[in-house]
Amino acid sequence: DTGVSQDPRHKITKRGQNVTFRCDPISEHNRLYWYRQTLGQGPEFLTYFQNEAQLEKSRLLSDRFSAERPKGSFSTLEIQRTEQGDSAMYLCASSSGPWNTEAFFGQGTRLTVV
Amino acid sequence: AQSVTQLDSQVPVFEEAPVELRCNYSSSVSVYLFWYVQYPNQGLQLLLKYLSGSTLVKGINGFEAEFNKSQTSFHLRKPSVHISDTAEYFCAVSEEASGSRLTFGEGTQLTVNP
Repeated sequence: DTGVSQDPRHKITKRGQNVTFRCDPISEHNRLYWYRQTLGQGPEFLTYFQNEAQLEKSRLLSDRFSAERPKGSFSTLEIQRTEQGDSAMYLCASSSGPWNTEAFFGQGTRLTVV
Repeated sequence: AQSVTQLDSQVPVFEEAPVELRCNYSSSVSVYLFWYVQYPNQGLQLLLKYLSGSTLVKGINGFEAEFNKSQTSFHLRKPSVHISDTAEYFCAVSEEASGSRLTFGEGTQLTVNP
């Protein structure tokens, strides 16, 4: 399977704990995106990378959130000191460049903060 | 900045009936337009996209959409729906110049009843 892979699929954590999610994009896709989707809403853009460079960050990405994409391959999204409001589905997508605007999405990581 | 409005949050229809899911967008620049489908606890799957050219675009699973620049709309249609089309449908736009992040509408839940 050469689709976008996200791990874990589900994560339950206590408020105040740190969590990290991983996304493996489609091989050779140079653009990688993170979105957050809360219940009953459409996905909201968080950040995107072109290769290893983080080119844009949404205002939704508070200081507690950090994303990396070392070596331009997989990416991680870390949330520090989780809050109940962080409970959401975190979606990763990748695309092959600016002239191909089709983004392929992973199945998401559902985070529940208790 | 761009925005997307999906005019119906829920659309119930009977099997084999036609359906139209409405989408309007707002942007000060040229945009690309997309429809995605999301099944429960899954990521998003691209149904179809408009980049340029013919304003009537055909996608997977028998869906089609028409881009209307004057009305800033991109409505999704299917002449005859199946039970398996029950899902959440999202309209999205991205700016043509950058082709990077997607801005999504809030979604329309299509429920096909027997």
